[in-house]
Amino acid sequence: AQSVAQPEDQVNVAEGNPLTVKCTYSVSGNPYLFWYVQYPNRGLQFLLKYITGDNLVKGSYGFEAEFNKSQTSFHLKKPSALVSDSALYFCAVRDPFNTGFQKLVFGTGTRLLVSP
Amino acid sequence: SQTIHQWPATLVQPVGSPLSLECTVEGTSNPNLYWYRQAAGRGLQLLFYSVGIGQISSEVPQNLSASRPQDRQFILSSKKLLLSDSGFYLCAWSGRAYEQYFGPGTRLTVT
Repeated sequence: AQSVAQPEDQVNVAEGNPLTVKCTYSVSGNPYLFWYVQYPNRGLQFLLKYITGDNLVKGSYGFEAEFNKSQTSFHLKKPSALVSDSALYFCAVRDPFNTGFQKLVFGTGTRLLVSP
Repeated sequence: SQTIHQWPATLVQPVGSPLSLECTVEGTSNPNLYWYRQAAGRGLQLLFYSVGIGQISSEVPQNLSASRPQDRQFILSSKKLLLSDSGFYLCAWSGRAYEQYFGPGTRLTVT
């Protein structure tokens, strides 16, 4: 069964500095990977996905993520953090070779705090 | 473009009362629909999913049920709420693309 891990409960970064939110996955084949962001008392917003192709994926709000097959990772990155990026971030994986209904498996979330 | 609605936005209900949360999607047809619960502002628990009208799959046995009476309508229900049913309920849809799109959520407090 597929799984995803977000090893950091919280990430703190100063505004203007680069940020990285980590995600590792476990699937039987080539994964489909996703990042979502959640602001307080709101639904999750889709940021970006990796299905196939270029290992560096660009998404909304200046975020990007790098797929690394050898390290089974899909870390979320942004070159320059904004205070408004402070939110809860979720990584998710889907195993395309898993028979049956295709569900997304979500990580436990990483809280990003960007200080002014 | 597609839009997903949930109502109500917040709900306070006493233990033992019934529950009905509604989710509707606009701008797409035959979506896959999902109900999630998020406790304590962190992890998501998939409760139900549906691939078509009247087709409901349950992920975990619990005090809740779901129905899909129309193609773009998904309802979460309970006959008698428990304290443990409190949480943030999220509806989502997916189409031909692989990602899911989430509604704004319903905050349920059972007192």
